[in-house]
This record gives sequence, C-alpha cells and structure tokens, in this order.
Amino acid sequence: SQTIHQWPATLVQPVGSPLSLECTVEGTSNPNLYWYRQAAGRGLQLLFYSVGIGQISSEVPQNLSASRPQDRQFILSSKKLLLSDSGFYLCAANRGGNEKLFFGSGTQLSVL
Amino acid sequence: AQSVTQPDIHITVSEGASLELRCNYSYGATPYLFWYVQSPGQGLQLLLKYFSGDTLVQGIKGFEAEFKRSQSSFNLRKPSVHWSDAAEYFCAVGQDGNKLVFGAGTILRVKS
Repeated sequence: SQTIHQWPATLVQPVGSPLSLECTVEGTSNPNLYWYRQAAGRGLQLLFYSVGIGQISSEVPQNLSASRPQDRQFILSSKKLLLSDSGFYLCAANRGGNEKLFFGSGTQLSVL
Repeated sequence: AQSVTQPDIHITVSEGASLELRCNYSYGATPYLFWYVQSPGQGLQLLLKYFSGDTLVQGIKGFEAEFKRSQSSFNLRKPSVHWSDAAEYFCAVGQDGNKLVFGAGTILRVKS
C-alpha cells in the first residue's frame, strides 16, 4: 500500500518568509497527488493536484504554488508568507481519480 | 493522542436502503468532528461538521451525523441511499485549523 511522508509536522514562520513543504510517496508509481489545507472556520480545501511530473492544477487563487519535480515528490511553496496562510496542510495521493485516497500526517503551519 | 477508527472498510447497500457509517474517535478534549466524501474523480468534499450545540448535525446531500459523547462516536447516516452516493467516506477529528486526524475511510458501494 501507499505510504506518504510529509514534513515538517509543525512549522512557525514569520510573515514575509518563504515556505517549502515536501511530500513524498512510496508504494506506487505515477500517483495523483494533492495538497489540501484546513483553515479556521472552513473544511478541507483542495489547493493543488497533479496527475504527473510537471503537471499542476490550481484550484484556488492564492499566495502558494506547487511543483512536482519527480514522480513521487510534491512540494508546496510560497515566496512570502501571509498571516492568512496559517493552517493545517495535508498531502494526499491515490493511483487515480477513482482510487482510495491516502493521506500524509499533515503540517501545522503558523505564520506570525 | 488523537485517533479515529472507521471499522468498516467496505459497505454495500441497496439503492433506497438506509445507511449508517460508523466512526469512533479518541480525543482528549471536546472534539471537532467532520465527515468528508471523496467521489470518483473528485477531491474531498465536506459533508458536515460538529463543533458544539445540537448533537444531531445535518449536512449536504441528505446526510446527517450524531455526536454521542458517551460512546465517542460520530456515525454518519442517510435514510435512503442513491446510486450517486457511491464513494469513499472519511471521518476526521481535530481542532478547526489545527491538526486533523482522519480515519482510514469506508468505501460505499450501492447496488441497484
């Protein structure tokens, strides 16, 4: 089965600093990859998804970007963090749109 | 530590029959509880959430869930299942905006 490694588990960053969250997947090749965020007062929100290397779809306009430099690596980035970027970020993967979704353990980001 | 158990990996029900998906949680404080659904080819969608107040929560698509503190449960129900309800359902617990712990998911199949 798939295993998703996501780090760091918690992160405190000042406003205006850069961000890089990494997610790697084991146990499958060519997975669909997803970044979700849960912010205060809202449920999980899909930020980005990727069906292959270099293929990124953005679901909502925002201060963040995503990249997929390798088949099983998915990176969430920002050049300058905003306070509103605080939240819980979750990486997820499946083998296709109809397949079971596996989750990483998440990153709690606090922007101060 | 927080944990969520969804004891049923797969459930099959007939169209028009009632449905109950089980969720048990372990959490040190008053939990925030969520049910998400992943339909084939789509990302996660929030069905409903419980933060406080009335323990019977109404959600979208005719779903409801009942928080039972004494049983540490938050079971999802629907009185009459439609074929379009076939999907994977995830229960989650956590503080809003903070770390979410997901259950392993229950795959619902609907037979006609």
